[in-house]
Amino acid sequence: SQTIHQWPATLVQPVGSPLSLECTVEGTSNPNLYWYRQAAGRGLQLLFYSVGIGQISSEVPQNLSASRPQDRQFILSSKKLLLSDSGFYLCAWSTGQSQETQYFGPGTRLLVL
Amino acid sequence: EDQVTQSPEALRLQEGESSSLNCSYTVSGLRGLFWYRQDPGKGPEFLFTLYSAGEEKEKERLKATLTKKESFLHITAPKPEDSATYLCAVQANDYKLSFGAGTTVTVRA
Repeated sequence: SQTIHQWPATLVQPVGSPLSLECTVEGTSNPNLYWYRQAAGRGLQLLFYSVGIGQISSEVPQNLSASRPQDRQFILSSKKLLLSDSGFYLCAWSTGQSQETQYFGPGTRLLVL
Repeated sequence: EDQVTQSPEALRLQEGESSSLNCSYTVSGLRGLFWYRQDPGKGPEFLFTLYSAGEEKEKERLKATLTKKESFLHITAPKPEDSATYLCAVQANDYKLSFGAGTTVTVRA
């Protein structure tokens, strides 16, 4: 069966510090991968998605970036965090077929102070 | 632009009191409508996918239905463990999902 991992689970960072969040998927090959951010009381906002290694599409202009160094690894990064980057970050995967379901990881709670 | 609106924002139910959640959507070319359950501090858990108007799916006390403009999630005889935020999302002509803000359901014993 497929499993998705995210770490760390919780992170408190000062403004201006760098960020690296990691997501890995087990039990499937060549998945589509996604990064979302969820603000309190709001819907999930798609940040990045990837249909293959090295293929990253950005949905929202911001100071975040994403990379996919391996087939089942997706990394969200920032060089300098802003207060507005605080939120709940979720990674998701899908099989890449049409009308496929996205399955979510446990999430990372980020607080920027 | 795809839009998804969920109502009500919050719903408080007594155990055994059935109710429905609404998800209305505007999308060009619906490929699928998805329902997720999210517990506090956790990632969304997949419940159902509906593909065409008239389709219905059930899982335990939950039943999802779909029309051309909205979807309903019916909760029959809810229990306290059904307390969660329920998210609706639509998929149009690409891989991306557009989510509603969710309905937070609280079931009191």
